[in-house]
Amino acid sequence: QKEVEQNSGPLSVPEGAIASLNCTYSDRVSQSFFWYRQYSGKSPELIMSIYSNGDKEDGRFTAQLNKASQYVSLLIRDSQPSDSATYLCAVSFGGGYQKVTFGTGTKLQVIP
Amino acid sequence: NAGVMQNPRHLVRRRGQEARLRCSPMKGHSHVYWYRQLPEEGLKFMVYLQKENIIDESGMPKERFSAEFPKEGPSILRIQQVVRGDSAAYFCASSPRTPDTGELFFGEGSRLTVL
Repeated sequence: QKEVEQNSGPLSVPEGAIASLNCTYSDRVSQSFFWYRQYSGKSPELIMSIYSNGDKEDGRFTAQLNKASQYVSLLIRDSQPSDSATYLCAVSFGGGYQKVTFGTGTKLQVIP
Repeated sequence: NAGVMQNPRHLVRRRGQEARLRCSPMKGHSHVYWYRQLPEEGLKFMVYLQKENIIDESGMPKERFSAEFPKEGPSILRIQQVVRGDSAAYFCASSPRTPDTGELFFGEGSRLTVL
């Protein structure tokens, strides 16, 4: 059973639209939640982190966390072609140290 | 302000050879993680190390793979007797402390091709 699940996509949105990316995680003690962006052939780059229920906004990005429902989402407003990438959801589970587990990623395509 | 440094960036090996991948964490970071990524797949955790200690190697194949992070020098991921299935991108990440927040900083990766 996968611990972090994402829809692999691709998710296609027109330029200027809102892109909504979702992630669910298994029922364990989860501490921290992250969204990484990975361009093709490049390394993952941390773009958002969220630790408590609710919304966290940073520029065009909003992360949403609902621990009761075990999901975390990322909204990208005013999507740009440069946002086209794979978005990896990552969860830091408990257990002595914070092992970070990644989902398989959702590929986002922003159509000009 | 050097980030996580990995080398080589690209490595080609024939089946049966050994591959050594190196990772120097960011300055001030003492925790290193290795992840493997197959084409079109997510990042798979392999091993977590602190200086001179392996903390968690639950994602590492039992045979042919080993990792170390000596007191001096970079972390090394070693793959002995490589097979074609080892072809992948290997990413190293570092964090500054017991990662209470889980924020990881990634290197550019080492791409291994096994012929």
